[in-house]
Amino acid sequence: QSVLTQPPSVSGAPGQRVTISCTGSSSNIGAGFAIHWYQQLPRTAPKLLIYDYTNRPSGVPDRFSGSKSGTSASLAITGLQAEDEADYYCQSYDTSLSGSWVFGGGTKLTVL
Amino acid sequence: QVQLVQSGAEVKKPGASVKVSCRPSGYTFTSYYIHWVRQAPGQGLEWMGVINPGGGSTSHAQKFQDRVTMTRDTSTSTVYMELSSLRSEDTAVYYCARGPQYCTSTTCSTYYLDYWGQGTLVTVSP
Repeated sequence: QSVLTQPPSVSGAPGQRVTISCTGSSSNIGAGFAIHWYQQLPRTAPKLLIYDYTNRPSGVPDRFSGSKSGTSASLAITGLQAEDEADYYCQSYDTSLSGSWVFGGGTKLTVL
Repeated sequence: QVQLVQSGAEVKKPGASVKVSCRPSGYTFTSYYIHWVRQAPGQGLEWMGVINPGGGSTSHAQKFQDRVTMTRDTSTSTVYMELSSLRSEDTAVYYCARGPQYCTSTTCSTYYLDYWGQGTLVTVSP
């Protein structure tokens, strides 16, 4: 059971928009710690996609965007492409259990 | 460019220990934290711990408190993660990842992981 909750899977057709949610609690998002997003393509290491809810590292296309609402965050991907098919993880810092960095369970994006 | 290069795959027997190395390059070694994250086959990402290469301080997930040791060698700019008392459930790919440092007037911390190593597969099998 992850401290951050993500849907196991989402799907969309090429060109469409999809969103992936990440639900936290008072010990992470509610305590002021931001959500960060990672993309993991098959058989590769994760890659930072979004940090501090909305910021894109250099080189990440602006088709990827992040937002926050209360104790949840979302990753949106517009103009879906076949190469976006991957696992997506949210991550934050949690003050429970003596404090630790935590990941969501991951969401598998399938491009139909 | 920033790179984190990890040591090669390992096969260990239950009860043994494994030591994985991570050698960052392309930036000042002591200016960024190094996290360790693992991923069991077909599973999600699991945070294990973090080390500040500058001072050597560490923090571990409670789950690994008694079994994981993280160290650094500033002379070779290398970070190590050792996991002891291995069991089959420890079979996973182990990643090191860089964590940017943010400091206030009194303390420093790290929040996200901006560059990752290629991963090291550790297989625990009798």
